[in-house]
Amino acid sequence: QQQVKQSPQSLIVQKGGISIINCAYENTAFDYFPWYQQFPGKGPALLIAIRPDVSEKKEGRFTISFNKSAKQFSLHIMDSQPGDSATYFCAASIKRGSTLGRLYFGRGTQLTVWP
Amino acid sequence: KAGVTQTPRYLIKTRGQQVTLSCSPISGHRSVSWYQQTPGQGLQFLFEYFSETQRNKGNFPGRFSGRQFSNSRSEMNVSTLELGDSALYLCASSLGVGRPNTEAFFGQGTRLTVV
Repeated sequence: QQQVKQSPQSLIVQKGGISIINCAYENTAFDYFPWYQQFPGKGPALLIAIRPDVSEKKEGRFTISFNKSAKQFSLHIMDSQPGDSATYFCAASIKRGSTLGRLYFGRGTQLTVWP
Repeated sequence: KAGVTQTPRYLIKTRGQQVTLSCSPISGHRSVSWYQQTPGQGLQFLFEYFSETQRNKGNFPGRFSGRQFSNSRSEMNVSTLELGDSALYLCASSLGVGRPNTEAFFGQGTRLTVV
């Protein structure tokens, strides 16, 4: 059973446009929600993360919106650039003791930004 | 600051063989997690180590094992390789101490091909 559901599977956006990727979860015990960006041949790179006590977090062109009641969170990429073309993964975890615990990943969204 | 280092980057093994993958976390990080990434199953959690102890384990058969050394470096071993074990194996390191320090940083992975 997929703990974190991500959509869309693929996304094509014009340069300068807004890219929006959505994720939903069921387990209300999740307390950490990161987004990762992965380029071909590379490992996932942490982009931005949020905790459930915050509804929005912005870092540069990247914003996470978090809706605790709906159990949904989304990534918005403003002014999308061709260099943003990559696969994006949302994830969730329950911190256990001193450690991060297991990250549950969505299936990924392949973003293509056309120049 | 050096990132997460995984060796080797590429491996080709024959069915039935065993393989050992290595991960050196970011200096000062004490927690190491391993993930398997395949096109079909996405990113799946294998196990997490902290202070040389396995803290969490995913749903993989006993052929998959790991360990962590006193310097936080980690190894994972897969015995009796099967074709389905072909994947990108990713190591992630995190500080492992305290709630704000739960970000996980991934290495570039080891691409294992079983023939």
